[in-house]
Amino acid sequence: QVQLQESGPGLVKPSETLSLTCTVSGASISSNYWSWIRQPPGKGPEWIGYVYFRGSPDYNPSLKSRVTFSVDTSKNQFSLKLTSVTAADTAVYYCAREGGYSYGGGSFPYWGQGILVTVSS
Amino acid sequence: DIQMTQSPSTLSASVGDRVTIPCRASQSISNWLAWYQQKPGKAPKLLIYKASTLESGVPSRFSGSGSGTEFTLTISSLQPDDFATYYCQQYNSYPYTFGQGTKLEIK
Repeated sequence: QVQLQESGPGLVKPSETLSLTCTVSGASISSNYWSWIRQPPGKGPEWIGYVYFRGSPDYNPSLKSRVTFSVDTSKNQFSLKLTSVTAADTAVYYCAREGGYSYGGGSFPYWGQGILVTVSS
Repeated sequence: DIQMTQSPSTLSASVGDRVTIPCRASQSISNWLAWYQQKPGKAPKLLIYKASTLESGVPSRFSGSGSGTEFTLTISSLQPDDFATYYCQQYNSYPYTFGQGTKLEIK
């Protein structure tokens, strides 16, 4: 059974860097596409981007200048860094896995529980 | 980016009702559309993918239809557990985008 778990600070100061890690169990990080998705309070989800264990990540153009993904295959984890945060980056951040070929790719049957990150001084 | 529009933002219905929830894409996405159910404090749950394929374990009262730019999620007979917010998501092209959601409320 595929399980994902986000971890990281729940409070980040404005202008600082938000850093989160997703730990995966029940599947290898060296297969499938792994995404970060965030959801501001009361709004719909926003796809941040995906990472594959090889090749370059793909980021949402709206965040591309501030976001970096990385993969640690030895720990079966992938990570998100978002720089120069503002209050508009306050959201629940989810890590998720695409369903793969049988799903036609980019739907998400597997999600972490989410972590609320608040940007405030 | 492809914009996904869900209207109305809130829908009131009763247990046993047949409900349809619409979703519109700003350009054709073929059938690359997913539907999710979300309850407060929980992650979205995949219900439907490729516009009409039911995810494993999802009750058969849920169904999806449509292609191109117009899509519908139908619940054939509302159950108490179905009162939640529903989102559509396109994965025809990057960046993937979600609708703003339709909240299904008890009438």
